[in-house]
Amino acid sequence: GDSVTQMEGPVTLSEEAFLTINCTYTATGYPSLFWYVQYPGEGLQLLLKATKADDKGSNKGFEATYRKETTSFHLEKGSVQVSDSAVYFCALRDDKIIFGKGTRLHILP
Amino acid sequence: NAGVTQTPKFQVLKTGQSMTLQCAQDMNHNSMYWYRQDPGMGLRLIYYSASEGTTDKGEVPNGYNVSRLNKREFSLRLESAAPSQTSVYFCASNPLALSYNEQFFGPGTRLTVL
Repeated sequence: GDSVTQMEGPVTLSEEAFLTINCTYTATGYPSLFWYVQYPGEGLQLLLKATKADDKGSNKGFEATYRKETTSFHLEKGSVQVSDSAVYFCALRDDKIIFGKGTRLHILP
Repeated sequence: NAGVTQTPKFQVLKTGQSMTLQCAQDMNHNSMYWYRQDPGMGLRLIYYSASEGTTDKGEVPNGYNVSRLNKREFSLRLESAAPSQTSVYFCASNPLALSYNEQFFGPGTRLTVL
């Protein structure tokens, strides 16, 4: 069945460092791909999405490109801030939505 | 426009007690969902309602029941709570079950079963 695998955390970086959180998927169809972010004590909220191969989603300095050849949707940001500390979830939506287990990100000032 | 709201925010139960978690959305969405979030497990789907009048089991339905009261409201009931149901519960909605739209999440209910 469909699945999402993302890198385990926690990931700890210094402010202004480059961020990559890896996400790979398996799917029988042609899913849409999403990154959600969960700040402490809150629900998940959509960060960015891509609906077809080679699409790039971007928001708040974060980017991810839908790579069908490598079945990946890695999240990147060029310069992280303390306020980016949160849990990040990769997800795919085909006939149902499937979430990865989440990656906790800590940014140190 | 409040989005997705959940009550209560926190709840402590004793084993065997029952309770209902409430969820409402004001976005006129057709589909609503209940998830539980446990450390290291990500989100797991408990039940969902593709449209008013329908409900279906998700990945982990045992020990829960749901009611889609109307288009706005989708409640989750624990008939006899167990410590294994200690978790954070999230309600979510989106316009159509089979669409590629994002899901909108409520703020969560943190449940502890002693």
